[in-house]
Amino acid sequence: AQSVSQHNHHVILSEAASLELGCNYSYGGTVNLFWYVQYPGQHLQLLLKYFSGDPLVKGIKGFEAEFIKSKFSFNLRKPSVQWSDTAEYFCAVNGAASGTYKYIFGTGTRLKVLA
Amino acid sequence: EAQVTQNPRYLITVTGKKLTVTCSQNMNHEYMSWYRQDPGLGLRQIYYSMNVEVTDKGDVPEGYKVSRKEKRNFPLILESPSPNQTSLYFCASSFRTDSYEQYFGPGTRLTVT
Repeated sequence: AQSVSQHNHHVILSEAASLELGCNYSYGGTVNLFWYVQYPGQHLQLLLKYFSGDPLVKGIKGFEAEFIKSKFSFNLRKPSVQWSDTAEYFCAVNGAASGTYKYIFGTGTRLKVLA
Repeated sequence: EAQVTQNPRYLITVTGKKLTVTCSQNMNHEYMSWYRQDPGLGLRQIYYSMNVEVTDKGDVPEGYKVSRKEKRNFPLILESPSPNQTSLYFCASSFRTDSYEQYFGPGTRLTVT
């Protein structure tokens, strides 16, 4: 079955702490991977994506993620979080590269950064 | 401004009363999609559309209908809403290139009593 697992549902960090949010997927075939972010009161927006090439991808606001195919993982990292990173983060996958266009999202991780 | 719009933003209705949530995008995107967001369940795809007159079921299509008669519009129809359809609904769209990264609308909060 197709699925995305996000291991942390709630994370609380102090400013300047490092962040790593876990994401594992089960989809089948070649996948495209995404992290979307939902800031309080705002639309969901793309943070970063992987669809081919370098498995280490960089996104907006200093975020990066690494695609490890052998582990079916796409963990999100940021070396030093800021109060403004407080948001809900969603990992997502689709199989557009292999002709499957259904999107599967994880359950989300609520990040709270303490000033 | 490039955007996805949804209407209404908030809706309270009663069980069984048909309703439509509209979605429109001005980016000439081929792919459009509807999601519902529920606490602890994340976003679940209801239906998606690859282009005009082409729609497919997502993971949770039961109780919903969609249509894609024009490229820019993708309305979500609840023929007979029930309380378990109380949720936050998002529309999204993307080009059909490479990764299909999506642009999301602001959401519609629906309450069915």
